[in-house]
Amino acid sequence: GENVEQHPSTLSVQEGDSAVIKCTYSDSASNYFPWYKQELGKRPQLIIDIRSNVGEKKDQRIAVTLNKTAKHFSLHITETQPEDSAVYFCAAYTGANSKLTFGKGITLSVRP
Amino acid sequence: NAGVTQTPKFRILKIGQSMTLQCTQDMNHNYMYWYRQDPGMGLKLIYYSVGAGITDKGEVPNGYNVSRSTTEDFPLRLELAAPSQTSVYFCASSYSISGSSGNTIYFGEGSWLTVV
Repeated sequence: GENVEQHPSTLSVQEGDSAVIKCTYSDSASNYFPWYKQELGKRPQLIIDIRSNVGEKKDQRIAVTLNKTAKHFSLHITETQPEDSAVYFCAAYTGANSKLTFGKGITLSVRP
Repeated sequence: NAGVTQTPKFRILKIGQSMTLQCTQDMNHNYMYWYRQDPGMGLKLIYYSVGAGITDKGEVPNGYNVSRSTTEDFPLRLELAAPSQTSVYFCASSYSISGSSGNTIYFGEGSWLTVV
């Protein structure tokens, strides 16, 4: 089955700096890659996603890039703010089993 | 729309007890899921359903059972609770899950379960 890994497991940045969170996946048939943000004690919520026929997608301060050859995708957050502090999960969808496989999550801390 | 609603929010169980986590969604979604989240371990799929009357196992189904008698409801049953089932449980739903349409998975607020 699909295996999704996230690196690093924790990330600390200074407010205003950029943060990059990288995920790798194992199944070359995966074709949909969402990112979820989970604040402490809250539910995960979708923040951005990308399909396999697109290399990059932006939404204001966040962007996601996909490298299908290397089987990795990354979340980019620019001009980080304290409210960006959360756990971020990447996931990969494979049509064969019709479900998402999540990574273990990365804790992002933005220092004021 | 209330979205995905799950109850209870908190529960303490004794070893060997049974309980049902309730989940309902009002978005007319076909797909429903139960995940468990352990600290530092991400989200693990327990069971999922692609429609009323259809359920299937996920990654970690042992010790759990589900049913899907209606589109709206997808309860998760824990039989003979064990300390290893201490976790946060999330119910979720989506219209479909397809790489081509990329429909969003909506999560409930979570249920914190402790087995002692």
